Amino acid sequence: NAGVTQTPKFQVLKTGQSMTLQCAQDMNHEYMSWYRQDPGMGLRLIHYSVGAGITDQGEVPNGYNVSRSTTEDFPLRLLSAAPSQTSVYFCASRDSASNQPQHFGDGTRLSIL
Amino acid sequence: AQSVTQLGSHVSVSEGALVLLRCNYSSSVPPYLFWYVQYPNQGLQLLLKYTSAATLVKGINGFEAEFKKSETSFHLTKPSAHMSDAAEYFCAVTLSGAGSYQLTFGKGTKLSVIP
Repeated sequence: NAGVTQTPKFQVLKTGQSMTLQCAQDMNHEYMSWYRQDPGMGLRLIHYSVGAGITDQGEVPNGYNVSRSTTEDFPLRLLSAAPSQTSVYFCASRDSASNQPQHFGDGTRLSIL
Repeated sequence: AQSVTQLGSHVSVSEGALVLLRCNYSSSVPPYLFWYVQYPNQGLQLLLKYTSAATLVKGINGFEAEFKKSETSFHLTKPSAHMSDAAEYFCAVTLSGAGSYQLTFGKGTKLSVIP
């Protein structure tokens, strides 16, 4: 039972490069989300999705794009990486009921030079 | 709207001592509350949750938390700290009711356990 799988685990980019962080879940969860974690800041919501074809912005969406073509996958795209996007990124999924906990992937550690 | 405040970014306790990690929340409607633990270089793992049933909630690894509406608090406790409890702990809140999607996290408390 894989849960939430994130790839890659580590990545180094140069300023201006683009990349996609992958997230897949095998629990048939409708709700998926992306967070970034920075020291002393906790986790901040970037984007979320409540089902295939439906996405919305969270607290810190600028510089990131998402799409949700299937229930299982929720990729996060950085179109033009900036040093301020150096962070640890977590993907999470949850059953549709809000009293259910979110299940987290192991994270992607991203450095922008 | 909702928010979470965790008092103390770092807490140190001796092995065997009581662990108390503080969390206060703000919510416009009855909340659901969660505590997560993060070990180094890992993702977040659910410790326990409050979803409007019993106000004293027991979780994994001997942790428990009590929901106190009058104090808007959801503090995490463990009677006796173990070395393996050293980690970062996050309190999080979401709104109850249909259409609630956003989980808001506190900034975290790093727990150190001194032998």
